[in-house]
Amino acid sequence: QSVLTQPPSVSGAPGQRVTISCTGSSSNLGTSYVVHWYQQLPGTAPKLLIYGNNNRPSGVPDRFSGSKSGTSASLAITGLQAEDEADYYCQSYDSSLSGPVVFGGGTKLTVL
Amino acid sequence: QVQLVQSGAEVKKPGASVKVSCKASGYTFTTDAIYWVRQAPGQTLEWMGWINTVNGNTKYSQKFQGRVTITRDISANTAYMELSSLRSEDTAVYYCARGRYGSGSYHFDYWGQGTLVTVSS
Repeated sequence: QSVLTQPPSVSGAPGQRVTISCTGSSSNLGTSYVVHWYQQLPGTAPKLLIYGNNNRPSGVPDRFSGSKSGTSASLAITGLQAEDEADYYCQSYDSSLSGPVVFGGGTKLTVL
Repeated sequence: QVQLVQSGAEVKKPGASVKVSCKASGYTFTTDAIYWVRQAPGQTLEWMGWINTVNGNTKYSQKFQGRVTITRDISANTAYMELSSLRSEDTAVYYCARGRYGSGSYHFDYWGQGTLVTVSS
């Protein structure tokens, strides 16, 4: 049971827009702690996709964007491409005994 | 370019210990913390602990407290994670990652390639 809750899977057709949610609580996202997102392609290490709620590292396409409101955060991917098929994880700070680093359970994105 | 290169796969028997290394290059090693994260087969990411590369101070997840030890060798630009009293549930890929601080929390901008640790009798 992960501290941050994500849907197990989402899917979309090429060119479509999909969103992945990340729901927390008062000890993490609800305390204005920021959220970060990672993409993990099969058999590889995670890659930083979004940091500080909505900042993209150099090299990450602007098709990827993040937002946060209250105890929830979202990752949006527009113009879906086959290469986006991967697992996505959210991560934040948690002030409870679970922390300080907590991850979501991960979401498998399937490009139809 | 920033790189974190980890040691190779390990097979251990239950009760044994394993020590994984993480060699950093392409940046000043003492600029940033090193975190260790593991991922059991088909599971999510799980934070284990981190080390302040300047002074060697560490913080461990409650789950691994007493079993994990993270150290660093500044002269070798290398961090180490040792996990003891291994059990089958410790079979996982172990990652090191560089922690960057901002807006009240750390994120991980560079990751090692991962080290598979298999615990089997």
